[in-house]
Amino acid sequence: DAKTTQPNSMESNEEEPVHLPCNHSTISGTDYIHWYRQLPSQGPEYVIHGLTSNVNNRMASLAIAEDRKSSTLILHRATLRDAAVYYCLRTTSGTYKYIFGTGTRLKVLA
Amino acid sequence: EPEVTQTPSHQVTQMGQEVILRCVPISNHLYFYWYRQILGQKVEFLVSFYNNEISEKSEIFDDQFSVERPDGSNFTLKIRSTKLEDSAMYFCASSSGGAGKNIQYFGAGTRLSVL
Repeated sequence: DAKTTQPNSMESNEEEPVHLPCNHSTISGTDYIHWYRQLPSQGPEYVIHGLTSNVNNRMASLAIAEDRKSSTLILHRATLRDAAVYYCLRTTSGTYKYIFGTGTRLKVLA
Repeated sequence: EPEVTQTPSHQVTQMGQEVILRCVPISNHLYFYWYRQILGQKVEFLVSFYNNEISEKSEIFDDQFSVERPDGSNFTLKIRSTKLEDSAMYFCASSSGGAGKNIQYFGAGTRLSVL
């Protein structure tokens, strides 16, 4: 059980920002939120992760709701290369597995 | 940039045969994982391995599966007697720590085709 909920698919125009939502309403205080993506015919690739505060890196930004029950992955300017399945995961310290849900398939339109 | 390497990229085998999938994790990582992805489906956790023993495994990881770190660099997944339903992409991953804040790095995968 992934314990996260994401829309099955989203579309975006190239060069525009994309906001990918994730619901994790049963998250516990020590669970981290991770985002991975899977490009066609490749293995999953780390995007970003956080615990409570918003996070930025060279790939994306992660906005975490104050109650931590949801989060949003933000791609600031989508490119065609960003077309992928994006997975939101909860990970718990002291465990040794990452459970993937079905993810959101992002389609980027030229 | 360090990467996880998997060989072979594609393995074809006959039903009932044994297969060994190989992975070279990132050199300073201590935690190792196998996942599988049946065509068109989600990525499924199989097993995690730390300190030369299994840390966690899923219901999929039954007695037909085993993992081993035979030397300081390789991490292998063995399927003893393959079934048609074992056909899938198998991904190896490694991380410097357990779940929580640690990042997993995935290999490109091995496509296993069981005929």
